[in-house]
Amino acid sequence: DVQLVESGGGLVKPGGSLRLSCAASGSGFIFSNDNMNWVRQAPGKGLEWVSSISRSGLNKYYADSVKGRFTISRDNAKNSVFLQMSSLRAEDTAVYFCVRSPLTIPLPNWYFDIWGRGTVVTVSS
Amino acid sequence: EIVLTQSPGTLSLSPGERVTLSCRASQAVSNNFLAWYQQRPGQAPRLLIYGASTRATGIPDRFSGSGSGTDFALTISRLEPEDFAVYYCQQSGSSPWTFGQGTRVEIK
Repeated sequence: DVQLVESGGGLVKPGGSLRLSCAASGSGFIFSNDNMNWVRQAPGKGLEWVSSISRSGLNKYYADSVKGRFTISRDNAKNSVFLQMSSLRAEDTAVYFCVRSPLTIPLPNWYFDIWGRGTVVTVSS
Repeated sequence: EIVLTQSPGTLSLSPGERVTLSCRASQAVSNNFLAWYQQRPGQAPRLLIYGASTRATGIPDRFSGSGSGTDFALTISRLEPEDFAVYYCQQSGSSPWTFGQGTRVEIK
Protein backbone atom coordinates (compact mmCIF):
# COMPACT_ATOMS: atom_id res chain seq x y z
CA ASP A 1 0.00 0.00 0.00
CA VAL A 2 1.09 3.55 -0.70
CA GLN A 3 1.60 5.80 2.31
CA LEU A 4 1.96 9.56 2.39
CA VAL A 5 3.44 11.25 5.45
CA GLU A 6 3.42 15.02 5.83
CA SER A 7 5.73 17.07 8.00
CA GLY A 8 6.77 20.65 8.55
CA GLY A 9 3.61 22.13 10.00
CA GLY A 10 3.63 24.40 13.02
CA LEU A 11 2.88 27.81 14.44
CA VAL A 12 4.04 30.80 12.40
CA LYS A 13 3.40 34.53 12.60
CA PRO A 14 1.48 36.38 9.89
CA GLY A 15 3.83 37.23 7.06
CA GLY A 16 6.07 34.31 7.89
CA SER A 17 7.11 31.27 5.88
CA LEU A 18 6.89 27.52 6.25
CA ARG A 19 7.91 24.56 4.11
CA LEU A 20 5.79 21.43 4.13
CA SER A 21 7.16 18.08 3.04
CA CYS A 22 5.44 14.88 2.04
CA ALA A 23 7.24 11.53 1.83
CA ALA A 24 5.72 8.73 -0.20
CA SER A 25 6.44 5.06 0.36
CA GLY A 26 5.03 1.64 -0.42
CA SER A 27 5.88 -1.60 -2.17
CA GLY A 28 5.51 -1.51 -5.93
CA PHE A 29 4.93 2.20 -5.84
CA ILE A 30 6.50 4.35 -8.55
CA PHE A 31 6.31 7.95 -7.33
CA SER A 32 7.28 9.45 -10.67
CA ASN A 33 4.15 7.93 -12.24
CA ASP A 34 1.77 9.98 -10.14
CA ASN A 35 0.56 13.56 -10.02
CA MET A 36 0.64 15.04 -6.53
CA ASN A 37 -1.42 17.66 -4.70
CA TRP A 38 -1.95 19.61 -1.54
CA VAL A 39 -5.46 20.03 -0.15
CA ARG A 40 -6.26 21.93 3.05
CA GLN A 41 -9.05 22.07 5.57
CA ALA A 42 -9.53 25.03 7.88
CA PRO A 43 -10.83 24.24 11.38
CA GLY A 44 -14.45 23.13 11.19
CA LYS A 45 -14.62 23.86 7.45
CA GLY A 46 -14.69 21.95 4.19
CA LEU A 47 -11.96 20.86 1.83
CA GLU A 48 -10.05 23.32 -0.36
CA TRP A 49 -7.69 22.34 -3.15
CA VAL A 50 -4.41 24.30 -2.86
CA SER A 51 -1.92 23.14 -5.48
CA SER A 52 -1.01 20.34 -7.90
CA ILE A 53 2.13 19.20 -9.67
CA SER A 54 2.45 16.85 -12.62
CA ARG A 55 4.51 13.67 -12.64
CA SER A 56 7.53 15.32 -14.21
CA GLY A 57 7.23 18.47 -12.14
CA LEU A 58 6.92 20.62 -15.26
CA ASN A 59 3.25 21.55 -14.79
CA LYS A 60 2.12 23.29 -11.62
CA TYR A 61 -1.30 24.60 -10.66
CA TYR A 62 -2.41 26.85 -7.83
CA ALA A 63 -5.64 28.05 -6.27
CA ASP A 64 -6.12 31.79 -6.65
CA SER A 65 -6.05 32.13 -2.85
CA VAL A 66 -2.38 31.03 -2.73
CA LYS A 67 -1.04 32.02 -6.16
CA GLY A 68 2.13 34.05 -5.87
CA ARG A 69 2.65 33.04 -2.23
CA PHE A 70 2.94 29.24 -2.35
CA THR A 71 5.25 27.12 -4.51
CA ILE A 72 4.88 23.40 -5.09
CA SER A 73 7.82 21.20 -6.07
CA ARG A 74 8.85 17.57 -6.07
CA ASP A 75 11.94 15.39 -5.95
CA ASN A 76 11.22 12.11 -7.70
CA ALA A 77 14.56 10.65 -6.62
CA LYS A 78 13.49 11.09 -3.00
CA ASN A 79 9.79 10.26 -3.48
CA SER A 80 8.87 13.61 -2.01
CA VAL A 81 6.69 16.61 -2.71
CA PHE A 82 6.97 20.01 -1.05
CA LEU A 83 4.92 23.13 -0.46
CA GLN A 84 6.84 26.33 0.21
CA MET A 85 4.48 28.80 1.85
CA SER A 86 5.32 32.46 2.27
CA SER A 87 3.50 35.66 3.23
CA LEU A 88 1.27 33.52 5.39
CA ARG A 89 -2.06 34.86 6.57
CA ALA A 90 -4.46 33.88 9.33
CA GLU A 91 -6.78 32.40 6.72
CA ASP A 92 -4.06 29.90 5.74
CA THR A 93 -4.54 28.20 9.11
CA ALA A 94 -5.58 24.63 8.30
CA VAL A 95 -4.69 20.98 8.17
CA TYR A 96 -2.69 20.45 4.99
CA PHE A 97 -3.09 17.07 3.31
CA CYS A 98 -0.67 15.59 0.80
CA VAL A 99 -2.72 13.72 -1.79
CA ARG A 100 -2.03 11.51 -4.79
CA SER A 101 -3.75 11.68 -8.15
CA PRO A 102 -3.06 8.41 -9.93
CA LEU A 103 -1.92 8.04 -13.51
CA THR A 104 -5.02 7.86 -15.72
CA ILE A 105 -5.24 7.12 -19.42
CA PRO A 106 -6.02 8.63 -21.91
CA LEU A 107 -6.84 11.86 -20.05
CA PRO A 108 -5.35 13.07 -16.77
CA ASN A 109 -8.04 12.97 -14.11
CA TRP A 110 -7.06 14.86 -11.00
CA TYR A 111 -9.08 13.00 -8.42
CA PHE A 112 -7.51 12.21 -5.07
CA ASP A 113 -7.15 8.55 -4.22
CA ILE A 114 -4.53 8.42 -1.45
CA TRP A 115 -4.38 10.94 1.39
CA GLY A 116 -1.84 11.53 4.11
CA ARG A 117 -2.97 12.19 7.68
CA GLY A 118 -2.19 15.88 7.34
CA THR A 119 0.01 18.42 9.07
CA VAL A 120 -1.35 21.37 11.01
CA VAL A 121 -0.39 24.91 10.07
CA THR A 122 -1.40 27.70 12.43
CA VAL A 123 -0.82 31.33 11.46
CA SER A 124 -1.18 33.56 14.48
CA SER A 125 0.66 36.33 16.28
CA GLU B 1 -14.38 28.30 -11.72
CA ILE B 2 -16.96 25.56 -11.35
CA VAL B 3 -19.00 25.91 -8.16
CA LEU B 4 -20.35 22.67 -6.70
CA THR B 5 -23.45 22.90 -4.53
CA GLN B 6 -24.30 19.93 -2.35
CA SER B 7 -27.70 19.29 -0.87
CA PRO B 8 -28.98 18.86 1.67
CA GLY B 9 -26.55 20.29 4.19
CA THR B 10 -27.40 17.73 6.84
CA LEU B 11 -29.39 14.50 6.84
CA SER B 12 -30.60 12.71 9.97
CA LEU B 13 -31.19 9.04 9.25
CA SER B 14 -31.25 5.61 10.84
CA PRO B 15 -29.02 2.62 10.07
CA GLY B 16 -30.46 0.53 7.26
CA GLU B 17 -32.03 3.46 5.44
CA ARG B 18 -31.28 4.40 1.86
CA VAL B 19 -29.88 7.86 1.16
CA THR B 20 -29.14 9.93 -1.94
CA LEU B 21 -26.87 12.96 -1.80
CA SER B 22 -26.91 15.60 -4.51
CA CYS B 23 -24.08 17.59 -6.11
CA ARG B 24 -24.94 20.23 -8.66
CA ALA B 25 -22.31 22.02 -10.76
CA SER B 26 -22.54 25.63 -11.99
CA GLN B 27 -21.46 24.40 -15.43
CA ALA B 28 -20.98 21.04 -17.08
CA VAL B 29 -18.15 18.94 -15.63
CA SER B 30 -15.88 17.90 -18.49
CA ASN B 31 -15.65 14.16 -19.09
CA ASN B 32 -17.85 13.69 -15.99
CA PHE B 33 -14.71 13.96 -13.87
CA LEU B 34 -16.67 14.05 -10.62
CA ALA B 35 -15.51 12.27 -7.46
CA TRP B 36 -17.03 11.62 -4.04
CA TYR B 37 -15.23 11.42 -0.70
CA GLN B 38 -16.18 10.37 2.80
CA GLN B 39 -14.66 12.03 5.85
CA ARG B 40 -15.15 10.67 9.35
CA PRO B 41 -14.33 12.88 12.37
CA GLY B 42 -10.60 13.28 12.92
CA GLN B 43 -9.69 11.36 9.77
CA ALA B 44 -8.47 12.21 6.31
CA PRO B 45 -11.01 11.99 3.50
CA ARG B 46 -11.41 8.69 1.69
CA LEU B 47 -12.13 8.34 -2.02
CA LEU B 48 -15.41 6.55 -2.72
CA ILE B 49 -16.27 7.24 -6.37
CA TYR B 50 -14.44 8.73 -9.35
CA GLY B 51 -15.49 9.38 -12.92
CA ALA B 52 -19.01 9.96 -11.55
CA SER B 53 -19.79 6.26 -11.18
CA THR B 54 -16.65 4.12 -10.70
CA ARG B 55 -16.16 2.77 -7.20
CA ALA B 56 -12.66 3.12 -5.80
CA THR B 57 -10.71 0.06 -4.68
CA GLY B 58 -12.15 -1.55 -1.57
CA ILE B 59 -15.35 0.50 -1.47
CA PRO B 60 -18.46 -1.58 -0.65
CA ASP B 61 -21.06 -1.93 -3.37
CA ARG B 62 -23.71 -0.23 -1.21
CA PHE B 63 -22.07 3.01 -2.45
CA SER B 64 -22.96 4.05 -5.99
CA GLY B 65 -22.50 7.20 -8.03
CA SER B 66 -24.56 8.49 -10.91
CA GLY B 67 -25.17 11.54 -13.04
CA SER B 68 -23.58 13.54 -15.81
CA GLY B 69 -23.17 17.11 -17.00
CA THR B 70 -24.19 19.28 -14.06
CA ASP B 71 -26.19 16.90 -11.85
CA PHE B 72 -24.58 14.11 -9.87
CA ALA B 73 -25.62 11.89 -6.99
CA LEU B 74 -24.15 9.53 -4.43
CA THR B 75 -26.44 6.79 -3.15
CA ILE B 76 -25.87 4.59 -0.12
CA SER B 77 -28.30 1.69 -0.41
CA ARG B 78 -28.32 0.69 3.27
CA LEU B 79 -26.63 2.87 5.86
CA GLU B 80 -24.17 1.09 8.12
CA PRO B 81 -23.05 2.65 11.43
CA GLU B 82 -19.66 3.54 9.92
CA ASP B 83 -21.31 5.51 7.09
CA PHE B 84 -22.33 8.39 9.33
CA ALA B 85 -19.86 11.02 8.19
CA VAL B 86 -19.45 14.05 5.94
CA TYR B 87 -19.49 13.55 2.18
CA TYR B 88 -17.85 15.83 -0.38
CA CYS B 89 -18.03 15.95 -4.15
CA GLN B 90 -15.10 17.27 -6.20
CA GLN B 91 -14.69 18.08 -9.88
CA SER B 92 -11.48 17.73 -11.87
CA GLY B 93 -12.91 18.49 -15.28
CA SER B 94 -11.42 21.96 -15.35
CA SER B 95 -8.92 23.86 -13.26
CA PRO B 96 -9.21 24.98 -10.52
CA TRP B 97 -10.35 21.69 -9.05
CA THR B 98 -13.19 22.46 -6.66
CA PHE B 99 -15.07 20.75 -3.84
CA GLY B 100 -18.65 21.03 -2.73
CA GLN B 101 -19.31 22.33 0.78
CA GLY B 102 -20.20 18.86 2.07
CA THR B 103 -23.25 16.98 3.30
CA ARG B 104 -23.30 15.65 6.85
CA VAL B 105 -25.09 12.34 7.37
CA GLU B 106 -25.89 11.97 11.05
CA ILE B 107 -27.62 9.35 13.15
CA LYS B 108 -31.24 10.10 13.86
